[in-house]
Amino acid sequence: SQTIHQWPATLVQPVGSPLSLECTVEGTSNPNLYWYRQAAGRGLQLLFYSVGIGQISSEVPQNLSASRPQDRQFILSSKKLLLSDSGFYLCAWSGTGVHVYGYTFGSGTRLTVV
Amino acid sequence: AQSVTQLDSQVPVFEEAPVELRCNYSSSVSVYLFWYVQYPNQGLQLLLKYLSGSTLVESINGFEAEFNKSQTSFHLRKPSVHISDTAEYFCAVSGLNQGGKLIFGQGTELSVKP
Repeated sequence: SQTIHQWPATLVQPVGSPLSLECTVEGTSNPNLYWYRQAAGRGLQLLFYSVGIGQISSEVPQNLSASRPQDRQFILSSKKLLLSDSGFYLCAWSGTGVHVYGYTFGSGTRLTVV
Repeated sequence: AQSVTQLDSQVPVFEEAPVELRCNYSSSVSVYLFWYVQYPNQGLQLLLKYLSGSTLVESINGFEAEFNKSQTSFHLRKPSVHISDTAEYFCAVSGLNQGGKLIFGQGTELSVKP
């Protein structure tokens, strides 16, 4: 069966520090991968999505970047965190072709920038 | 492009009462529709989805939603709620042939009181 792992679960970082959040998927190949951010009372905002290794699409301009160095690995990064980067970050995967519809989410990372 | 509006940010109800969480969408293409549930500090879990066929879809825990194309709605209902249904619920839409990207509503916080 397919599983998705996301870590760390919580993170407190000072303003200006770097960030690296990792997400890996098991039990499937060539998934579509997504990073979402959830701010309090503001729903889910799609940040990045990837349809293959090295293929990253950014949905909104921001202080973050994403990379996909391996088929089932998706990394969210920042060189210098801002206070506004605080939030709950969720990674998700979906199938491709006829299985592209509907996501499976990781358990999320609660990031607090202080 | 697609958009989703969840008309109620918070819905308080008493245990064993019926509930309806409203969701409206807009899209210039055919859509697939989803409801996700999020328990505190967890990722999102798929509750039910409409891809094709019967416009009434059901989940294993008693929720149902009906796709109404003329009213562009996909409201979520349950005839009798439990304390354990307390969570945040997200409606999401994906446009046909749009690569599977999900657009989420702002969420509805369902609070079930004894």
